[in-house]
Amino acid sequence: DAKTTQPTSMDCAEGRAANLPCNHSTISGNEYVYWYRQIHSQGPQYIIHGLKNNETNEMASLIITEDRKSSTLILPHATLRDTAVYYCIVSLGGNKLVFGAGTILRVKS
Amino acid sequence: NAGVMQNPRHLVRRRGQEARLRCSPMKGHSHVYWYRQLPEEGLKFMVYLQKENIIDESGMPKERFSAEFPKEGPSILRIQQVVRGDSAAYFCASSPPGSRGSNQPQHFGDGTRLSIL
Repeated sequence: DAKTTQPTSMDCAEGRAANLPCNHSTISGNEYVYWYRQIHSQGPQYIIHGLKNNETNEMASLIITEDRKSSTLILPHATLRDTAVYYCIVSLGGNKLVFGAGTILRVKS
Repeated sequence: NAGVMQNPRHLVRRRGQEARLRCSPMKGHSHVYWYRQLPEEGLKFMVYLQKENIIDESGMPKERFSAEFPKEGPSILRIQQVVRGDSAAYFCASSPPGSRGSNQPQHFGDGTRLSIL
């Protein structure tokens, strides 16, 4: 599975959009980009995933660059409850997930 | 994390005892994954199972750890002769049939916190 690089931490003002970047320059053609988050002491929560097209659901949007070497997770209106560690993972479907250190997102009022 | 049920939520064992962790996947899911999160560390894959089959156990310690997913009932992660270093949060995830090679995401339970005295 390809390795991903994320910033260690980010701050975001409550009500503003949170844009979390991820680099995955060694991604292969059939690997998906998955985003999960882990709120303190809970299990990882699935957010969104995509292959090459941009995706949107009720939680977030995922923007994948045309060369697929990077992506951005967008939380359109961050709330205090969005404070968590966000993991960007590249994986073949159905395989194990390799978690890195993720990005600690702090949403502040 | 609706759907994937893990029990117990907290488990305390003394060194040398056995620990059994249970995971009931989401309804209709037939793939189960176990991950371990040591204190202040990230999640690490342990094992991937389908009903009655171990698909990938590349992350399992070579000794004392075993996992099963029987035809009926929950998946079990078993740790024999526990040591202090086994203290961690153990998470289970599940995905639907046909997940291999597809893009179906894994959904996680809230974990079992294992503490070894």
